[in-house]
Amino acid sequence: SYELTQPLSVSVALGQTARISCGGNNIGSRNVHWYQKKPGQAPVLVIFRDNNRPSAIPERFSGSNSGNTATLTVSRAQGGDEAEYYCQVWDSGTFFGGGTKLTVL
Amino acid sequence: EVQLVQSGAEVKKPGESLRISCQGSRYSFTTYWISWVRQMPGKGLEWVGRIDPGDSYTNYSPSFQGHVTISADRSITTAYLQWTSLKASDTAMYYCARHEGGYYERWGQGTLVTVSS
Repeated sequence: SYELTQPLSVSVALGQTARISCGGNNIGSRNVHWYQKKPGQAPVLVIFRDNNRPSAIPERFSGSNSGNTATLTVSRAQGGDEAEYYCQVWDSGTFFGGGTKLTVL
Repeated sequence: EVQLVQSGAEVKKPGESLRISCQGSRYSFTTYWISWVRQMPGKGLEWVGRIDPGDSYTNYSPSFQGHVTISADRSITTAYLQWTSLKASDTAMYYCARHEGGYYERWGQGTLVTVSS
């Protein structure tokens, strides 16, 4: 088992930068992936292997991972970025963080 | 384009059995594992388990082991998640997703399972 800890909520002003953390024991040694989940829609992969973006994801989304914390950064936040965000690792099984609700004010 | 298409919503009674499906297309079905992910109402994502369609090897989250069965039929490029005796607590949205070296870029659209007497 591997526990991933995320804040319940993060708020950001329109056009500013949001940072969502994902804590785990020595998580920096693992590959971390991030998903955006909106109500009624399937999850969307926004970052894979710490800091890689799928081709359809804007450059405003970036990731980092070191020590005991991985971070998803959303720059120039837009209203359409409002969603739940989940971090995930694979370790003989898939583990998700509890999810963070991003609110754009 | 790679697609995962899931079966439609289900309404069942406690104790009934159910099998939901996830059909992959436009890729080599036996090359990628398929995982199932649950989202209960108002809750987060939970990994149920996965199957390697190439050899039908499965492994499950301890939270789901013994309560569900994952299987696949390579001939029709379809993976399944099934229950023999549903509980009200199985009410949730279930997603299938293609495992791509530790992460999931392709997801099904989800199947809503409602269990109510």
